Amino acid sequence: AQTVTQSQPEMSVQEAETVTLSCTYDTSESNYYLFWYKQPPSRQMILVIRQEAYKQQNATENRFSVNFQKAAKSFSLKISDSQLGDTAMYFCAFMNYAGNMLTFGGGTRLMVKP
Amino acid sequence: NAGVTQTPKFQVLKTGQSMTLQCAQDMNHEYMSWYRQDPGMGLRLIHYSVGAGITDQGEVPNGYNVSRSTTEDFPLRLLSAAPSQTSVYFCASSYGPSGGAGTGELFFGEGSRLTVL
Repeated sequence: AQTVTQSQPEMSVQEAETVTLSCTYDTSESNYYLFWYKQPPSRQMILVIRQEAYKQQNATENRFSVNFQKAAKSFSLKISDSQLGDTAMYFCAFMNYAGNMLTFGGGTRLMVKP
Repeated sequence: NAGVTQTPKFQVLKTGQSMTLQCAQDMNHEYMSWYRQDPGMGLRLIHYSVGAGITDQGEVPNGYNVSRSTTEDFPLRLLSAAPSQTSVYFCASSYGPSGGAGTGELFFGEGSRLTVL
């Protein structure tokens, strides 16, 4: 079974600054998918970014980028130019290659301060 | 675009009562799943289905039943509610296996908050 660990329960950042959220995972699979999901106070789960394990290039989506270290089983999320709307819970998630099991970390609550 | 629709959004039950959380999607997704979200524990997979007539257990299946008679619907049944089932429940769907035609992205409903007294 896979496990996903987010070691930072809470973080804060000033508006316009950069913040990095950490995520580590454990798996015996060689091919898999990693995700960061955002959950604002509305409770809706929103996909932020997706990484395929067989791709060495780190995924980027506008202000969001990841640092994927496959050997270290690490998958951190960097948010640049933080905005007030980035305030939310952020969940790191692992999906097996078969695509039928998505395992979430415990989440990191991010507060962006004006 | 309706996406994934869950009902009800809020429910209060007494211990021992039964109820069904409804989930419907209009995206013709083959894969559907149910998660529960508890503080500090992220989301945990309860049951999932890879197509009509096919269901399987996830990480925390005890106390829950599911069925998948159509592609669109995937109801979650609590047969005899217990206080430990107090949680927020999410239904999610996707096109299918991430290794195939799908992207692996899950589309989530808005969640259902269940309280068992």
